[in-house]
Amino acid sequence: AQSVTQLDSQVPVFEEAPVELRCNYSSSVSVYLFWYVQYPNQGLQLLLKYLSGSTLVKGINGFEAEFNKSQTSFHLRKPSVHISDTAEYFCAGGGSQGNLIFGKGTKLSVKP
Amino acid sequence: KAGVTQTPRYLIKTRGQQVTLSCSPISGHRSVSWYQQTPGQGLQFLFEYFSETQRNKGNFPGRFSGRQFSNSRSEMNVSTLELGDSALYLCASSPNAGAYNEQFFGPGTRLTVL
Repeated sequence: AQSVTQLDSQVPVFEEAPVELRCNYSSSVSVYLFWYVQYPNQGLQLLLKYLSGSTLVKGINGFEAEFNKSQTSFHLRKPSVHISDTAEYFCAGGGSQGNLIFGKGTKLSVKP
Repeated sequence: KAGVTQTPRYLIKTRGQQVTLSCSPISGHRSVSWYQQTPGQGLQFLFEYFSETQRNKGNFPGRFSGRQFSNSRSEMNVSTLELGDSALYLCASSPNAGAYNEQFFGPGTRLTVL
């Protein structure tokens, strides 16, 4: 079955600390991988995407992700978080129907 | 460019009623996808329309339907509403069909079924 798994439902972190949000995908998911962010009462905004090429992908707001084919992972990282990064983050992969298959989301809570 | 717009933003209905939600994609985008977001199930794919044709459909009952007009605007309809249909319904548009295309999401319509 096609699936995307986000290993942590909630991640609390202090401001200016580094953070990693973990994402694994099943081998049946096509290797088009995305990270989206959702702020309260808003839709999803694309942070970054991997389609092919360099395994290290840089996105907006200082986020980056590394595609690891052998571990079927696409973890999201930021070296220093801000209060404004508090939001829910979704990892997604390409489904066989051309749709996006989403993970359950990780709520990032940045504390002062 | 204006973003994806969805109307209405909030909706309250009672069981058994039907509802129609509307989505206007970014100008020039021909693909519109719909997703249902709930706390328990997360984000689930409903269907995708491209050039007025339903291209793909997720695993939802026939009560959920949609259509796309020649200007790429899309509507989704849910008939005989159930309590479990309460959710945030998100519309996303992209220039073309296919999972490799970036999808641009609207703010969603929050449907509450009483």
